[in-house]
Amino acid sequence: NAGVTQTPKFRILKIGQSMTLQCAQDMNHNYMYWYRQDPGMGLKLIYYSVGAGITDKGEVPNGYNVSRSTTEDFPLRLELAAPSQTSVYFCASSYSRQAYEQYFGPGTRLTVT
Amino acid sequence: AQTVTQSQPEMSVQEAETVTLSCTYDTSESDYYLFWYKQPPSRQMILVIRQEAYKQQNATENRFSVNFQKAAKSFSLKISDSQLGDAAMYFCAYRSAKGEIQGAQKLVFGQGTRLTINP
Repeated sequence: NAGVTQTPKFRILKIGQSMTLQCAQDMNHNYMYWYRQDPGMGLKLIYYSVGAGITDKGEVPNGYNVSRSTTEDFPLRLELAAPSQTSVYFCASSYSRQAYEQYFGPGTRLTVT
Repeated sequence: AQTVTQSQPEMSVQEAETVTLSCTYDTSESDYYLFWYKQPPSRQMILVIRQEAYKQQNATENRFSVNFQKAAKSFSLKISDSQLGDAAMYFCAYRSAKGEIQGAQKLVFGQGTRLTINP
């Protein structure tokens, strides 16, 4: 199994551009999450999903959108990129509410200039 | 809202020695989980150890153990016989155990402690 995969690994965007960060998991997990990690900081939750068609905001949702059309995929959309969105983005998944562990992807390093 | 604080931005230890990383948290809940995650230079987040708040016994995983003080809201990580491969950022994280609330499994992270192992 590949676990949680993220593409791309790195990306540089110009201010005002848009892009989609891809996340996929092959573990049949219902719960998926997007976090961002700013330099020297811990991870903060952007959006999460408890199943296909169900998403909700986390701590820092402004400037982002998500969709969950399938169990496997949970893309994160950045509209009108801003320098404040320069960060490392992590996708994670877990099996259930009671599951102890969230499995993380390798991250996407995004720079907005 | 819950918060997690790691007051040591950086720590260093000699190889084969023991080091303790500190973490405190704030919550009004009585049932929750606490975690330590390791993030090496590869950026991959790796679960090191977890603790259920309802358990009084401290969790251990090989060379890693925790000192969980529920009343003090403290959750420190002890690494024994430190190895070069232990060098990484370590994050303390909190998760509510309220399973009936949608999204209650969200993780709240501390700021991290960078651990250096000196050969």
